[in-house]
Amino acid sequence: AQKITQTQPGMFVQEKEAVTLDCTYDTSDPSYGLFWYKQPSSGEMIFLIYQGSYDQQNATEGRYSLNFQKARKSANLVISASQLGDSAMYFCAMRGAGGTSYGKLTFGQGTILTVHP
Amino acid sequence: NAGVTQTPKFQVLKTGQSMTLQCAQDMNHNSMYWYRQDPGMGLRLIYYSASEGTTDKGEVPNGYNVSRLNKREFSLRLESAAPSQTSVYFCASNWDRANQPQHFGDGTRLSIL
Repeated sequence: AQKITQTQPGMFVQEKEAVTLDCTYDTSDPSYGLFWYKQPSSGEMIFLIYQGSYDQQNATEGRYSLNFQKARKSANLVISASQLGDSAMYFCAMRGAGGTSYGKLTFGQGTILTVHP
Repeated sequence: NAGVTQTPKFQVLKTGQSMTLQCAQDMNHNSMYWYRQDPGMGLRLIYYSASEGTTDKGEVPNGYNVSRLNKREFSLRLESAAPSQTSVYFCASNWDRANQPQHFGDGTRLSIL
């Protein structure tokens, strides 16, 4: 079984500063993918970034980067130069690559990020 | 660019009523999913379909049925709605490659009185 844990129910950051949102995971699959999604107050789910379990380098997408530490089973999202529009709920999710986990996303409980001006 | 389209966006039902949530995608994806989102619990998988003609249970399937009508459409049915099914329902689809994200619809906010 797969499990995602996000231990920060809420985070606050000052505009233009960087913030790290924590995510730890547990799986017995040797191959898996990790995703981060953003859910603004309007409710849609927006894909931010992906990290494969065999990727040698940490993923980056613009102001988003993923601090992937495989041995610690953590996949923290780093948002640099925070903007007011970054205020939203953020979800970490994992997808297995084989067996009964194949294709299915398991989500964490989410972290609400508030960016202060 | 339509992507994943869900209907309706909002619905209020009485306990015991039935209804079907519709989902269609225009990205030629094989895999489609239904999730529910409850406060403080993230998204939980209800059912999924790896290809046309196949469906399988997710984490919380009780009280729901699904139909993969064709490659584009994947519907979720509540046969006898219960207040515990009050939630926001999301449909999603993706390519069958490990690095491909799931694309989500805008959600259906369902209230059962």
